[in-house]
Amino acid sequence: TQLLEQSPQFLSIQEGENLTVYCNSSSVFSSLQWYRQEPGEGPVLLVTVVTGGEVKKLKRLTFQFGDARKDSSLHITAAQPGDTGLYLCAGFRSGYSTLTFGKGTMLLVSP
Amino acid sequence: KAGVTQTPRYLIKTRGQQVTLSCSPISGHRSVSWYQQTPGQGLQFLFEYFSETQRNKGNFPGRFSGRQFSNSRSEMNVSTLELGDSALYLCASSSSTGHNSPLHFGNGTRLTVT
Repeated sequence: TQLLEQSPQFLSIQEGENLTVYCNSSSVFSSLQWYRQEPGEGPVLLVTVVTGGEVKKLKRLTFQFGDARKDSSLHITAAQPGDTGLYLCAGFRSGYSTLTFGKGTMLLVSP
Repeated sequence: KAGVTQTPRYLIKTRGQQVTLSCSPISGHRSVSWYQQTPGQGLQFLFEYFSETQRNKGNFPGRFSGRQFSNSRSEMNVSTLELGDSALYLCASSSSTGHNSPLHFGNGTRLTVT
């Protein structure tokens, strides 16, 4: 059983569309992180959210941490081809010191 | 500042052989973590080292081992390779351990076992 479930697994959209990807768990996390991984490269940290209900914006990307700290979402406005990549959520479960990753959402944005 | 460097980028080995992968962290970073990434399982934690001491270990068999040197460089070793060990092995460094130290990943070593 995956601790962090990400959905959808794959998403193929046209440039200019909006999208939301989700990261869900039955466990409580003290913090959640979002990474983007491009082909042939390692994941790059986009944001960390630590407070339940927290919303963070990074240009066209909006990240939200659920009130109960069990879930998170990433919303992209007006997607661009440069947003293409594997989006990974990862978190520290309360009481644990290792980072747990979801399997990721593969996003393809076509021109 | 140079990023995390992993060598080699690609490796092809035969079942039963052993392999050593290397990771040079960002200068000044003392914590190094290793992850295995496969399409089926995603990123799975292998181990974490801080100041030459293993701090945490994931749920992998004893064939997987690692170490960290005094200059913070780290190596991981896999013995008696199996086909299922084929994966992207990622190393990440951070300035310290804990939740407030972001991970900086290298570009990985792609291991293929035939």
